[in-house]
Amino acid sequence: AQSVTQLDSHVSVSEGTPVLLRCNYSSSYSPSLFWYVQHPNKGLQLLLKYTSAATLVKGINGFEAEFKKSETSFHLTKPSAHMSDAAEYFCVVSDRNNNDMRFGAGTRLTVKP
Amino acid sequence: GAGVSQSPSNKVTEKGKDVELRCDPISGHTALYWYRQSLGQGLEFLIYFQGNSAPDKSGLPSDRFSAERTGGSVSTLTIQRTQQEDSAVYLCASSFQPGRGYEQYFGPGTRLTVT
Repeated sequence: AQSVTQLDSHVSVSEGTPVLLRCNYSSSYSPSLFWYVQHPNKGLQLLLKYTSAATLVKGINGFEAEFKKSETSFHLTKPSAHMSDAAEYFCVVSDRNNNDMRFGAGTRLTVKP
Repeated sequence: GAGVSQSPSNKVTEKGKDVELRCDPISGHTALYWYRQSLGQGLEFLIYFQGNSAPDKSGLPSDRFSAERTGGSVSTLTIQRTQQEDSAVYLCASSFQPGRGYEQYFGPGTRLTVT
């Protein structure tokens, strides 16, 4: 079965500095990978997804993630953090032979002014 | 168009009572998922429905939890004899097809508080 590990439960950055949220996955087959964002008291929203096309995936709000099979990683990055990026971020893996998606424990991003 | 809707948005119940949570998926979505999100925790998979196939119940934490999906659309999650540890936000999601490549669309959740 597939699984996801988000390496940091909490990341704090200053506004205007880069963001790195780390995610490692385990999957028996070629996975699909997703990043979701959850703002306080809001629903989950898809940021981006990887489904075996280009390994560098661009998403909404300036975020991107790179699929690295050799490192089993799918880290989320953004060049310059904005205050509105403060939220909980979830890395998700889906295995083509399974019908469910496995969520990581989440990383809380704090952006300081 | 309309997204995934859930009702009620908030539910407070006494320990030992039964509760029913409802999910209306996006029209045309064949896959429906229930998750639980406890305070400060990630999402815990509960159950998955796909079309007319038997549901994947592997995530249900106990036999007090059950779910059904009528007519391949609306789903109800039932928790019997609620316990305080059942307090959480229950999220429903649907997708056009299951698994690979198809994103899940989430509802706003039902916040369940067991007193």
